[in-house]
Amino acid sequence: DAGITQSPRYKITETGRQVTLMCHQTWSHSYMFWYRQDLGHGLRLIYYSAAADITDKGEVPDGYVVSRSKTENFPLTLESATRSQTSVYFCASSESKNTEAFFGQGTRLTVV
Amino acid sequence: QKEVEQNSGPLSVPEGAIASLNCTYSDRGSQSFFWYRQYSGKSPELIMFIYSNGDKEDGRFTAQLNKASQYVSLLIRDSQPSDSATYLCAVNPRENTGFQKLVFGTGTRLLVSP
Repeated sequence: DAGITQSPRYKITETGRQVTLMCHQTWSHSYMFWYRQDLGHGLRLIYYSAAADITDKGEVPDGYVVSRSKTENFPLTLESATRSQTSVYFCASSESKNTEAFFGQGTRLTVV
Repeated sequence: QKEVEQNSGPLSVPEGAIASLNCTYSDRGSQSFFWYRQYSGKSPELIMFIYSNGDKEDGRFTAQLNKASQYVSLLIRDSQPSDSATYLCAVNPRENTGFQKLVFGTGTRLLVSP
């Protein structure tokens, strides 16, 4: 189906493990974003990408790694998960930096 | 001081009333402002954006921007129970335009009672 999809929708992992959250969009949008949403903090930008092989840090990048080898995919990796990374993660994409960003369904990650 | 501030609510209004949602921001050089709606357990969806001082209307929604006072508001006329959601205000810092590096407020929860 067309659109932006995230997987998995729910994930429980242990402290110290590496975990990768996937994001795939079928629109060929140039821009892709990763946000986390926590009570009391709202949505915070982790990383974004303006095109394949171009990424930049957002507000809260520490502990996260991203890559963008293909335009349609923008995986987010937690190299060594910590409890403070328990959150809901949203991926988004937009055609350009001046157009609407569309959000995926979100991934609820719990680190125990 | 948070960069984007919103009252967490809940803001309760009866069906058919006008709901007024407010947002203040700290960066005087901010250029673009956005309102997103987020239903519980769902992802945010864009309602409106505004770049210039004044009002911008779209159906039942009106965004108002006052850069001198550093606030942006969203008015929802003829509120419906289906408008019950959390409304997120987002601001783009001065060095960007459009949707890069949006800074979000924590959102205002709106409850519209039948």
